[in-house]
Amino acid sequence: AQKVTQAQTEISVVEKEDVTLDCVYETRDTTYYLFWYKQPPSGELVFLIRRNSFDEQNEISGRYSWNFQKSTSSFNFTITASQVVDSAVYFCALRDLNTGTASKLTFGTGTRLQVTL
Amino acid sequence: NAGVTQTPKFQVLKTGQSMTLQCAQDMNHEYMSWYRQDPGMGLRLIHYSVGAGITDQGEVPNGYNVSRSTTEDFPLRLLSAAPSQTSVYFCASSYGANEQFFGPGTRLTVL
Repeated sequence: AQKVTQAQTEISVVEKEDVTLDCVYETRDTTYYLFWYKQPPSGELVFLIRRNSFDEQNEISGRYSWNFQKSTSSFNFTITASQVVDSAVYFCALRDLNTGTASKLTFGTGTRLQVTL
Repeated sequence: NAGVTQTPKFQVLKTGQSMTLQCAQDMNHEYMSWYRQDPGMGLRLIHYSVGAGITDQGEVPNGYNVSRSTTEDFPLRLLSAAPSQTSVYFCASSYGANEQFFGPGTRLTVL
């Protein structure tokens, strides 16, 4: 069975601080995708990144960076110099690739990030 | 492209009523799914479909039915609404196992 754990329920930071959101996953599959989604207060779910289990390179996109470590089954997300607009709930998710097109997406319970001035 | 659309945005039902939540996508995605989002529980998969005519159950399928007669549409039916089905419902689609794109959600309240 697959499981995604986001142990941080809520994080509060002051603008311009760096913040890391943790994600730990469990799967018996050898090939899988990991994802991060953002859910701002307006409620929609916005796709941020997809990572293949074979690709452990860290990725940076502007103020966002992701650290994928297969050895610790973690896929952490860091926001550098946080801004008020980063306030949202962030979800980590896992999708196995061994079941082909029938693969299911398993979500963590989300981390609520509050960025204040 | 409209992406994934859902109607209605809000709905209030009385216990025992039935209704259909509509979902459509214009990206020619084979994979479509329905989730419910409840506080503190993330998103849980209700039903999914890998193509027209093919559907299967997810984690929490009880009380819900789906059908997939076309690639574009994937409606979710509540057969006899219960207060436990009060939730926010999201429809999503994807190309194979790639990232799923989500609709704007339907906020359902069952009294």
